[in-house]
Amino acid sequence: QKEVEQNSGPLSVPEGAIASLNCTYSDRGSQSFFWYRQYSGKSPELIMFIYSNGDKEDGRFTAQLNKASQYVSLLIRDSQPSDSATYLCAVSPYGQNFVFGPGTRLSVLP
Amino acid sequence: KAGVTQTPRYLIKTRGQQVTLSCSPISGHRSVSWYQQTPGQGLQFLFEYFSETQRNKGNFPGRFSGRQFSNSRSEMNVSTLELGDSALYLCASSYSPGTPRTDTQYFGPGTRLTVL
Repeated sequence: QKEVEQNSGPLSVPEGAIASLNCTYSDRGSQSFFWYRQYSGKSPELIMFIYSNGDKEDGRFTAQLNKASQYVSLLIRDSQPSDSATYLCAVSPYGQNFVFGPGTRLSVLP
Repeated sequence: KAGVTQTPRYLIKTRGQQVTLSCSPISGHRSVSWYQQTPGQGLQFLFEYFSETQRNKGNFPGRFSGRQFSNSRSEMNVSTLELGDSALYLCASSYSPGTPRTDTQYFGPGTRLTVL
């Protein structure tokens, strides 16, 4: 069974700190990896995606992928209270639909 | 460019009834996926349609069905509603699924279904 796992949290970090969100997946054939942010009562919105091993940076966000370890992470630098949300990791096994993790709830404390 | 739209936004039904939800994808997007989100189970994949054909299907009973029209709009239907069907139903559109998938899914606002 294809699974995506995330720590459910809540993960609490002080304002201005780096928040580190982790995700592991079971299907070695997974090709693409996405991070979504979901505010309470809202639908998920895409933060960024990554396809290749290594780091990908977009503003305050950095996605890191290690296919050998089947691990993908999201770093949020200079965390703001507005970053408080649930972060969903999504993985696409080869040619198939997306599989979402349960999400990690992040709380950035002022 | 307009985003993904879903109608209705809220629905209240009783057990045994059926319901139809609608999704209009972003203009030019041909793939529509449906998800069920509940606090206990998280975001679970229902099915995906591409060019009017069901491309993938999740592990849901046959009471859940869907279809896609030639203009890429999609509907999902749930028959014989159960209390456990209460959830947020999300539709996501993407340009083309591809193999491997490199498309990005964009979510609509969702339809909140309550079954009494």
